[in-house]
Amino acid sequence: AQKVTQAQTEISVVEKEDVTLDCVYETRDTTYYLFWYKQPPSGELVFLIRRNSFDEQNEISGRYSWNFQKSTSSFNFTITASQVVDSAVYFCALSEAPGKLIFGQGTELSVKP
Amino acid sequence: DTGVSQDPRHKITKRGQNVTFRCDPISEHNRLYWYRQTLGQGPEFLTYFQNEAQLEKSRLLSDRFSAERPKGSFSTLEIQRTEQGDSAMYLCASSSVARNTEAFFGQGTRLTVV
Repeated sequence: AQKVTQAQTEISVVEKEDVTLDCVYETRDTTYYLFWYKQPPSGELVFLIRRNSFDEQNEISGRYSWNFQKSTSSFNFTITASQVVDSAVYFCALSEAPGKLIFGQGTELSVKP
Repeated sequence: DTGVSQDPRHKITKRGQNVTFRCDPISEHNRLYWYRQTLGQGPEFLTYFQNEAQLEKSRLLSDRFSAERPKGSFSTLEIQRTEQGDSAMYLCASSSVARNTEAFFGQGTRLTVV
């Protein structure tokens, strides 16, 4: 069975704090993709990153960084120096077949000024 | 690209009525997906098309749900005899096989069945 678990339902931080959102996945496939999406209050899912199962290099994009570890089936997302505009629900997702994204339940991040 | 467009953004309907939603994907994206998202949950896959062919349907898509993409461009999702449990956000996304893009999502249609 394929499954994505985001154990943190809600996280609240103060602006400029670093925050890590956890994601653990389950799959039997050796080839798969992992994603992070951001969903602001407007509702639209905004793509943040995609990694394939053969690329375990960590990635940094501005204040965002991602740590992919196959050994622990985790794909964690860190926001450095958080800002109020980062407040949103963040979803981790797994894709084994074209288009069929399996989402976690999401982590609601609240960044307070 | 103007992004994925969904219409309407909000729909309130009485139980038992039929509703239809429309999705216009990013032009030249040949894959189109429908998802459903209930409050506090992640989106759940419903179905997807490659061009005009519907290639997969989730067991979540009951007989009251039907999706079409007649010309391989826009798609419609119809729900017949709506029930209160159908209240949710219906999200559409599209992607390009040739360019191996990720899925780009629209802003969704929020359905409320009263």
